[in-house]
Parts: sequence; structure tokens; C-alpha cells
Amino acid sequence: ETGVTQTPRHLVMGMTNKKSLKCEQHLGHNAMYWYKQSAKKPLELMFVYNFKEQTENNSVPSRFSPECPNSSHLFLHLHTLQPEDSALYLCASSFTGVDSGNTIYFGEGSWLTVV
Amino acid sequence: GQQLNQSPQSMFIQEGEDVSMNCTSSSIFNTWLWYKQDPGEGPVLLIALYKAGELTSNGRLTAQFGITRKDSFLNISASIPSDVGIYFCASRGFAGGTSYGKLTFGQGTILTVHP
Repeated sequence: ETGVTQTPRHLVMGMTNKKSLKCEQHLGHNAMYWYKQSAKKPLELMFVYNFKEQTENNSVPSRFSPECPNSSHLFLHLHTLQPEDSALYLCASSFTGVDSGNTIYFGEGSWLTVV
Repeated sequence: GQQLNQSPQSMFIQEGEDVSMNCTSSSIFNTWLWYKQDPGEGPVLLIALYKAGELTSNGRLTAQFGITRKDSFLNISASIPSDVGIYFCASRGFAGGTSYGKLTFGQGTILTVHP
């Protein structure tokens, strides 16, 4: 139990479907992240939110739409995805600031399969 | 962008053997983190290093922050079957640099332990 909870753990969706991934952190952190993990590739940072504001978008296609209603919740809305978007999507959270102790903690991930 | 070279990519060892893996970069970092990811789960933080030369242990795990700030290693002593998984290094740049605040991940080392 890392304090970061993701749902659903597994999702299969068609290319025309609309679905959402949800993340909730119970650590009092003020930054939240979405990462994508594909086979044989390093973890890819997708989005960063600090205090509910998006501070980073790493050239992610618009078919992925994040939403951060507050510092504890983060969503990833999915629509018209492609099969190559199938991957493990990891949510993470951390404190922000200039201190070195800004370790990030990951959720268990949501396995997404696009058919 | 920043790149971490993690090696080896995979290891097959016998239970009881010691394991060593490392990460190197051409850039200087101020934080090194080591994560383990069990199959089907999100990465879990093992050890965090914040000072050059720092040597930190967590049970059978030992990690060091290289004196040049460009590398780090992780050792696992007397491996057991539950050590199986993917080990990731991650690092964060200095304040004022373009990579500050961004966590860069290595490609991962896949560890298999034979009983």
C-alpha cells in the first residue's frame, strides 16, 4: 500500500470508446503525475500537475485528456485510442519545492488494452 | 533530454547470489532513486540518495550515489526468489538546470532468480 490508489486496475476498450482512469493519493502531496509504461521502454512522463495546475505536457496526443479537480485526485480521460496506446498507465504523487526530498510514490497502475 | 544508461538490461542468477546493477549519465544529478517493480504492479521506492558519495542500506539492499554525481549502483546480497522484478534507477537534476524537478528513469534491469 503506497498511498496512491488507481482504478480500474485493468481496462479493455475499443477504439471508439470513451473511458477514464482514476487516481487518488492519501499522502497529502501537492503534485500528481501520469506516466506511461510500454514493454521494453523507459517510463514516459505524460503530465504533471502542481496544486491542481498542469505544469507539464510531454507532447501527449489529445486523445489523452487529464483532469485534476484537486490535489488528491487525478483523472486521465481516454477517447478514440489506438492499439499502440495499450500500456500500463501509472499515477504518482509527490511534494513539490526546492528541497531534495521530493520522492515520488507510484500507484499500482492501470493496465489498458485497446482493441 | 537527460538520459540514464542502466545496466545490465537483464540478469539470471541463482538464489543466494549477490547482484549488482548501475546507472550512469553524462549529466550531473542531485538525487538518485532506486525503485523495484513487481510483475503487474507499480514501482515501489527502495532507496533514495541525496548526497554525492552517500552509501545507504535497506536490508539486503545497498545503494551508493557516485562521487562524480553522474552514477549510482544498487547491490542486492544473498538474493531470494521474491527479489524477482524490474529495478529502475531514477534521478533528478540540480535547481536552475533544465532538468530540475524532472525525474528521469533508466530503462530498467529485469532480475530473475532461480531457486
